[in-house]
Amino acid sequence: DVKVTQSSRYLVKRTGEKVFLECVQDMDHENMFWYRQDPGLGLRLIYFSYDVKMKEKGDIPEGYSVSREKKERFSLILESASTNQTSMYLCASSLAFAGAAGNTEAFFGQGTRLTVV
Amino acid sequence: AQKITQTQPGMFVQEKEAVTLDCTYDTSDPSYGLFWYKQPSSGEMIFLIYQGSYDQQNATEGRYSLNFQKARKSANLVISASQLGDSAMYFCAMRDDLKLTFGTGTRLTIIP
Repeated sequence: DVKVTQSSRYLVKRTGEKVFLECVQDMDHENMFWYRQDPGLGLRLIYFSYDVKMKEKGDIPEGYSVSREKKERFSLILESASTNQTSMYLCASSLAFAGAAGNTEAFFGQGTRLTVV
Repeated sequence: AQKITQTQPGMFVQEKEAVTLDCTYDTSDPSYGLFWYKQPSSGEMIFLIYQGSYDQQNATEGRYSLNFQKARKSANLVISASQLGDSAMYFCAMRDDLKLTFGTGTRLTIIP
């Protein structure tokens, strides 16, 4: 059974703290993604990684960084948490994109609801 | 840049009726994939259906079908014979390169 696991379901942090959100997948997937989900805005891509040590900015990377030292683990880092980063964070993984020929569906973790006070 | 548009923030549908959730996309790449996901109130993301840009036929998975109109760049999800358990958020998504981009979602409520 495929699995993507996020380290915390709920997290409360103070403004200015450095925050680490961890994500681990057991499917040997090449691609991993971090999204934040806010009401009315859907899922917005923060960063993604297509291989170990490789990372690309998504649509809203400001205030975030990522790390992928091992294939199975993708970490999202909030360097100095702010209240506008209060949100639901979703991690996902998938096989490498193979064009239209293959279904590279993404598998999601259970989400981390982060509150910054 | 990729763009996915879902124009229906919310829909109410009578149980057992069919429902169509709209999705349009924008890409200049000829090779891409389209996905639909369901997110119930529990928060998990459930994959429903996939359509590749070169597929000649519309994808179907049980009660779900994808009405793929390539020239119009639309990929609407059709749910036949809706059930109370279909009440959820529904997201359309696209991959045309390394990125996987989602729309803003449609909240579907099934009325008994």
